[in-house]
Amino acid sequence: SQTIHQWPATLVQPVGSPLSLECTVEGTSNPNLYWYRQAAGRGLQLLFYSVGIGQISSEVPQNLSASRPQDRQFILSSKKLLLSDSGFYLCAWSLASGANVLTFGAGSRLTVL
Amino acid sequence: GQNIDQPTEMTATEGAIVQINCTYQTSGFNGLFWYQQHAGEAPTFLSYNVLDGLEEKGRFSSFLSRSKGYSYLLLKELQMKDSASYLCAVCNTNAGKSTFGDGTTLTVKP
Repeated sequence: SQTIHQWPATLVQPVGSPLSLECTVEGTSNPNLYWYRQAAGRGLQLLFYSVGIGQISSEVPQNLSASRPQDRQFILSSKKLLLSDSGFYLCAWSLASGANVLTFGAGSRLTVL
Repeated sequence: GQNIDQPTEMTATEGAIVQINCTYQTSGFNGLFWYQQHAGEAPTFLSYNVLDGLEEKGRFSSFLSRSKGYSYLLLKELQMKDSASYLCAVCNTNAGKSTFGDGTTLTVKP
């Protein structure tokens, strides 16, 4: 069966510090991978998606970046965090074809102070 | 672009039936999804429609009308554990990207 791991679960970072969130998927090959962010009481905003190694598409301009160094690894990064980067970050995967049901990781709650 | 609307909050009684509506406008359509999200947790998949009509999965059903840009999620025999946020999401044809509504927070009362 497929599983998705995301870490860290919680982090508190000062403004201007770097960020690295990591996500790995097991039990499937060539998945579509996604990073979403959820502000309090709001829906999910798509930040990045990837259909293959090294292929990253950005949905919104921001100071975040994403990388996919391996087929089942997806990393979200920032060089300098802003207060507005606070939120609940969710990694997700779906099959590359057919119904694109998203399976989410447990999420990473980021607070920027 | 895509625009998805759903009510912000709903309240219902344990054992009752509740219908959560979702309307959407999209530039490409590859399915409409419903997810459940308990407070502080990640969303989990509930139901999926790509063709018009009703899909039933136990106590949960979802309906889609593509011509009207309309879907609803029907929850029967409500239980206290059904208190959660319900997210409507539209998948467009580009790499399976899903756009989410802001969610409907359902409170089930005894």
